[in-house]
Amino acid sequence: TQLLEQSPQFLSIQEGENLTVYCNSSSVFSSLQWYRQEPGEGPVLLVTVVTGGEVKKLKRLTFQFGDARKDSSLHITAAQPGDTGLYLCAGPTTGNQFYFGTGTSLTVIP
Amino acid sequence: NAGVMQNPRHLVRRRGQEARLRCSPMKGHSHVYWYRQLPEEGLKFMVYLQKENIIDESGMPKERFSAEFPKEGPSILRIQQVVRGDSAAYFCASSPPGQGVYGYTFGSGTRLTVV
Repeated sequence: TQLLEQSPQFLSIQEGENLTVYCNSSSVFSSLQWYRQEPGEGPVLLVTVVTGGEVKKLKRLTFQFGDARKDSSLHITAAQPGDTGLYLCAGPTTGNQFYFGTGTSLTVIP
Repeated sequence: NAGVMQNPRHLVRRRGQEARLRCSPMKGHSHVYWYRQLPEEGLKFMVYLQKENIIDESGMPKERFSAEFPKEGPSILRIQQVVRGDSAAYFCASSPPGQGVYGYTFGSGTRLTVV
């Protein structure tokens, strides 16, 4: 089983602060996805990174795929309360399924 | 342009009853995936279906669980003789053919509570 470990598990910060969350594996993935899940809702796809070393930006969110394609990071600049949620990384396994990490629960305090 | 529709949003069943969870994929999506999310655990793959075909059910418990995606109508995840351990959020996702590797569109889930 390809294991995706996410850290930190919980993060509580003040509005306006910056933060980085991590997704690490000992296995190589062909791509990694990041999702955000709000309470009572399903995960929403934020980005897919495919190429080692790739950096993608989505407004205040910056996603990076490690050179060896074993890890990824998500950096949020000037966090806002609307960023609160569970951030999940996921990678495709052999076949047609994704392996999901257990997530980072982010709370942004106004 | 409706997204992935799941119903019901909440379902309460007594131990031993049957639970039926429905999922209508996004328009144009013919591939459906079911995942289960237990408290403090990540999303776990259960089954991958195309119309009238089960492609991969490697994540599905061998007993009591079944899934279908008929030619007409929604995909159904069926849990027979539910037990307390089946209490979880069940999510359906869909993708266009060949695009699943780029990520899914998830529904809002069905929260099953077994009492």
